[in-house]
Amino acid sequence: AQSVTQLDSQVPVFEEAPVELRCNYSSSVSVYLFWYVQYPNQGLQLLLKYLSGSTLVKGINGFEAEFNKSQTSFHLRKPSVHISDTAEYFCAVSQGAQKLVFGQGTRLTINP
Amino acid sequence: DAGVIQSPRHEVTEMGQEVTLRCKPISGHNSLFWYRQTMMRGLELLIYFNNNVPIDDSGMPEDRFSAKMPNASFSTLKIQPSEPRDSAVYFCASSYRQGGSGTDTQYFGPGTRLTVL
Repeated sequence: AQSVTQLDSQVPVFEEAPVELRCNYSSSVSVYLFWYVQYPNQGLQLLLKYLSGSTLVKGINGFEAEFNKSQTSFHLRKPSVHISDTAEYFCAVSQGAQKLVFGQGTRLTINP
Repeated sequence: DAGVIQSPRHEVTEMGQEVTLRCKPISGHNSLFWYRQTMMRGLELLIYFNNNVPIDDSGMPEDRFSAKMPNASFSTLKIQPSEPRDSAVYFCASSYRQGGSGTDTQYFGPGTRLTVL
């Protein structure tokens, strides 16, 4: 069975600093990988997804993620964060079907 | 373009009562998903439909939960009778399914926050 581990439940960062949110997945076959963002009291919004091809995926709001098959990781990065990036971030995996398996989420807090 | 619409946004009920959550997917989408989000268990897929037909309900916790999709623009998730442990945020999501892959982007509604006293 697939699973997703988000290694940090909370990440505090100063404004304009870089950030990396870590995600590892477990699967024995090819997978599709996703990052979603959830702003307070809202639903989830897709940031980016990896399907195939280039391992560096660029998404909305200046975020990018790198797929690393050997390390089974899909870490999310942003070179300079803003207060508006304060949210919860979810990594998810699907295995050719439509079912998404989500990680537990990482709460990103931006301090001024 | 309207996104996924869910109602009500908040529901407070007493144990034993019937609760019905509603969802209107994005027009033109042919797949619909119901999720539950709790602090303890995170985001869990309860059930999903393709072309109004339930495909996988293995995530439905027990017989007290039922979901229907009578047409392409409406779905309900019903809990009867409700229990305090059902308190959670319930999300509906929809997507346009292309072929047999799992690459479709799911678009989420704002959720219904359910509190069962």
